[in-house]
Amino acid sequence: DVVMTQTPVSLPVSLGGQASISCRSSQSLVHSNGNTYLHWYLQKPGQSPQLLIYRVSNRFSGVPDRFSGSGSGTDFTLKISRVEPEDLGDYYCLQSTHFPQTFGGGTKLELK
Amino acid sequence: EVKLLESGGGLVQPGGSMRLSCAASGFTFTDFYMNWIRQPAGKAPEWLGFIRNKANGYTTEYNPSVKGRFTISRDNTQNMLYLQMNTLRAEDTATYYCARQPGPFDYWGQGVMVTVSS
Repeated sequence: DVVMTQTPVSLPVSLGGQASISCRSSQSLVHSNGNTYLHWYLQKPGQSPQLLIYRVSNRFSGVPDRFSGSGSGTDFTLKISRVEPEDLGDYYCLQSTHFPQTFGGGTKLELK
Repeated sequence: EVKLLESGGGLVQPGGSMRLSCAASGFTFTDFYMNWIRQPAGKAPEWLGFIRNKANGYTTEYNPSVKGRFTISRDNTQNMLYLQMNTLRAEDTATYYCARQPGPFDYWGQGVMVTVSS
């Protein structure tokens, strides 16, 4: 299985500040069709995960431009600028290039 | 509006069976791969498997961690997705989600809890 390693596990931030989360995969996530199937989710307390970013850098419908994704190959980053209270929760990366599809271990974004 | 609503969870004894259901609405059900994903309390989600869309013959793929014990099916006349779980173990205790997949899992249900305990 492709192992997805997220760092840090916990990320204290100040409201209005910036946050950066890393996700590294144990093998390249470039599919044979040339696409890279790396996605980012936010799970707020008591809720289902919600899609933020798909295929590395594409914001899902309704996701504010404070969220941005980047990276390639095995190394990916989610950045959140001007952190707001509704951004707090658990962030997960997901790879769907290889079977089985696998999630990162999660990063908890919390107030400093 | 896309809606996914799981049902059928609860308490089951080790070795027992349970079937979860997911009612879908707000989209053309047959156009999409449909997934089951679970999440133990305080842990990351785990993909269990999917059933492909009409264009891909409604075939299934499973995570090896559950292959042979779990079966995914769909009723396209009722817009329903199912997860049949057999020979349940304590480590199957989790919240189970259904999710639509056009690429990423773009919409998820609210989840249903399954507890495997004697």
